[in-house]
Amino acid sequence: DAKTTQPTSMDCAEGRAANLPCNHSTISGNEYVYWYRQIHSQGPQYIIHGLKNNETNEMASLIITEDRKSSTLILPHATLRDTAVYYCIVRTLGQNFVFGPGTRLSVLP
Amino acid sequence: GAGVSQSPRYKVAKRGQDVALRCDPISGHVSLFWYQQALGQGPEFLTYFQNEAQLDKSGLPSDRFFAERPEGSVSTLKIQRTQQEDSAVYLCASSWGLAGENEQFFGPGTRLTVL
Repeated sequence: DAKTTQPTSMDCAEGRAANLPCNHSTISGNEYVYWYRQIHSQGPQYIIHGLKNNETNEMASLIITEDRKSSTLILPHATLRDTAVYYCIVRTLGQNFVFGPGTRLSVLP
Repeated sequence: GAGVSQSPRYKVAKRGQDVALRCDPISGHVSLFWYQQALGQGPEFLTYFQNEAQLDKSGLPSDRFFAERPEGSVSTLKIQRTQQEDSAVYLCASSWGLAGENEQFFGPGTRLTVL
């Protein structure tokens, strides 16, 4: 079973920041938080991952709370092409990825 | 460079037929994974290869499902005597490290429809 809970769907205006929350209250000390997204008719695409510290790359930022029980994926300037299902996954290195239903993000013009 | 490719992209089978789905991972990637994705759901793990060795097949739903990677590169997922409940998108992913140490790169999937 997935160890995370995410909202089923969210809307975001084009050009605005999209903030996608994820709860993982039972996360253990050696589990990483990963984010993938899946655009319609494509395979999932890796976005970012982190353990404790906030992370940023060319796609997004990952903010992890101090107690690590929740995190937020931030797309700073959402575009129409960011419309996708976003999956938050927690796992230790070597564990299989367990995908939940994710959050369906719709970026609106 | 080329990503993970899968063929065919779409497959329609009559119930009871055997099907074979192919995955070409990124060159040099050690690890290869197969997933099954039902409509409206996230991908579910089926099996994992490290080079040619199948190290985990705990997700295969029945003995009708069989996967191989004989030379440690291309992989084939075979489903015998297909059933309607096998209808799904089958995703292949590869990564350069061992057993999911690194991010996985996914192919576009094969959409299987069993009539």
